[in-house]
Amino acid sequence: SQTIHQWPATLVQPVGSPLSLECTVEGTSNPNLYWYRQAAGRGLQLLFYSVGIGQISSEVPQNLSASRPQDRQFILSSKKLLLSDSGFYLCAWEYGTGAGEQYFGPGTRLTVT
Amino acid sequence: GNSVTQMEGPVTLSEEAFLTINCTYTATGYPSLFWYVQYPGEGLQLLLKATKADDKGSNKGFEATYRKETTSFHLEKGSVQVSDSAVYFCALSSGSARQLTFGSGTQLTVLP
Repeated sequence: SQTIHQWPATLVQPVGSPLSLECTVEGTSNPNLYWYRQAAGRGLQLLFYSVGIGQISSEVPQNLSASRPQDRQFILSSKKLLLSDSGFYLCAWEYGTGAGEQYFGPGTRLTVT
Repeated sequence: GNSVTQMEGPVTLSEEAFLTINCTYTATGYPSLFWYVQYPGEGLQLLLKATKADDKGSNKGFEATYRKETTSFHLEKGSVQVSDSAVYFCALSSGSARQLTFGSGTQLTVLP
């Protein structure tokens, strides 16, 4: 069966510090991968998606970036965090055929102080 | 473009009450429709789905029917439990975008 992992589970970082969040998927090959952000009490905002190694599409211009160095690894980064980057970050995967349903990881709670 | 409109919350019900959370959509083509549930502090879990008109998705006592004529996918449960307290998201997937369009979410609280 397929599983998706995210770490760390929680993170407190000062403004201006770098960020690296990692997501890995097990039990499937060539998945589509997604990063979402959920602000407190709000819906989901799609940040990035990837259909293959090194292929990243950005939905929202901002100080975040994403990379996919391996087939089942998706990394969200920032060089300098802003207060507005605080939120709940969710990684999701989908079968590469694009069937539509996505499966989400447990999330990372990021607080920028 | 695609959009999903959900019933605004929060919704508070007593245990064993009937639940309806309304969801309507706008999309080109023939989207697939989903309901996701998010328990406090966790990621989203797929609750049910429907991929074509008149399909009924069901899981854990929840049901939703894909109504093309009314562009709706309302979530229902006949008797809610305290453990159903969560945020519920309606979503659609359409075309080749390979992206889900989410509604804003509805917070459900079930009181004992």
